[in-house]
Amino acid sequence: EAGVVQSPRYKIIEKKQPVAFWCNPISGHNTLYWYRQNLGQGPELLIRYENEEAVDDSQLPKDRFSAERLKGVDSTLKIQPAELGDSAVYLCASSFGGRAYEQYFGPGTRLTVT
Amino acid sequence: AQSVTQLDSQVPVFEEAPVELRCNYSSSVSVYLFWYVQYPNQGLQLLLKYLSGSTLVKGINGFEAEFNKSQTSFHLRKPSVHISDTAEYFCAVNGQNFVFGPGTRLSVLP
Repeated sequence: EAGVVQSPRYKIIEKKQPVAFWCNPISGHNTLYWYRQNLGQGPELLIRYENEEAVDDSQLPKDRFSAERLKGVDSTLKIQPAELGDSAVYLCASSFGGRAYEQYFGPGTRLTVT
Repeated sequence: AQSVTQLDSQVPVFEEAPVELRCNYSSSVSVYLFWYVQYPNQGLQLLLKYLSGSTLVKGINGFEAEFNKSQTSFHLRKPSVHISDTAEYFCAVNGQNFVFGPGTRLSVLP
């Protein structure tokens, strides 16, 4: 069974440039999460999807961040424009849904903003 | 609001010694509890989880955790660690939403 796939694995951009991250969850998982993990810290939830619907985006900085999950499968997270403080690892996870189910994480995208 | 506290940011321990990584949480609703591990340059993976029933939960790689409702704790333990257990360990709570703790870096020394 294929795991959660993320691309790119690494991205270096200059501040004020746009950047996008892509995630393909495990087949059959209807819940998808995007997290940001700063160095030495735990993952922080940015947005959670149940199928196509964003059910929790309270921590998403909506002035510069956007996300979509078309057809309830793949998802894209975008930052425009990027700031120096956006440097972090962006993690995607998926689960069957419901609070009791474990999340399966992708390898993450390490973003460096210079 | 929910929160998760991991009191020890770093725990060094010698190989074959026992270890306990502490986790406390606060929540106004009932919660499910998880421990995840992140090995160097790898993604997060589940060690174990508590949903209901027995308060002692066994996970992979010889780890176990005990849920204590009165103390709102979910400490992780292993009776004898190996070099390969060197990693970052995260406690997580799923109640109103999913919240991770800041992590504990376990370093197993030869």
